[in-house]
Amino acid sequence: AQSVTQLGSHVSVSEGALVLLRCNYSSSVPPYLFWYVQYPNQGLQLLLKYTTGATLVKGINGFEAEFKKSETSFHLTKPSAHMSDAAEYFCAVSDPRLFGGNKLVFGAGTILRVKS
Amino acid sequence: DAGVIQSPRHEVTEMGQEVTLRCKPISGHDYLFWYRQTMMRGLELLIYFNNNVPIDDSGMPEDRFSAKMPNASFSTLKIQPSEPRDSAVYFCASSPGTSGSTDTQYFGPGTRLTVL
Repeated sequence: AQSVTQLGSHVSVSEGALVLLRCNYSSSVPPYLFWYVQYPNQGLQLLLKYTTGATLVKGINGFEAEFKKSETSFHLTKPSAHMSDAAEYFCAVSDPRLFGGNKLVFGAGTILRVKS
Repeated sequence: DAGVIQSPRHEVTEMGQEVTLRCKPISGHDYLFWYRQTMMRGLELLIYFNNNVPIDDSGMPEDRFSAKMPNASFSTLKIQPSEPRDSAVYFCASSPGTSGSTDTQYFGPGTRLTVL
């Protein structure tokens, strides 16, 4: 079975500082990996995804993530935090062999706080 | 496009009552997903449909939960009878299905259910 571990349920950074949200996964096969963002009282929105190919993936709002197979990680980064980045972030994994990879397993989420 | 539409946005009911949550996916999308989000269990996939057919319902917690998709533009999630532990935010999501497993899932705003 697949699983996702997000290290740190809460992360606080200053505006303009580097954002680093950690995600480690467990999968017996090369997975598909996703980062979603959830703003208060809203649904989830896809930030970026890795399926195949280049391991450094760029997403919306200046975020990027790197798939590191040897470390089973898919950490999310952004060089400079903005106040509008304050939200909850979810890492998710899916098995491409099962149900076409549509069955996402989500991590517990990390709440990002941006201080002015 | 209006995005995924869910109704109601908030529902408060008493234990034992029947609850019906509704979802209209994005037009043309072949996949529809129902998720539940709670503080204790995080974001869980309950069931998903492909071309109106239920594909995987292994996440449905009990027989009290049922989901239907009578046509491509409408789905319901029903809880009968409802219990206080069913209190959660229920999300509906849809995805195009054009490229199979790598499609993005688009989430609705959710229905916040409170069972007293």
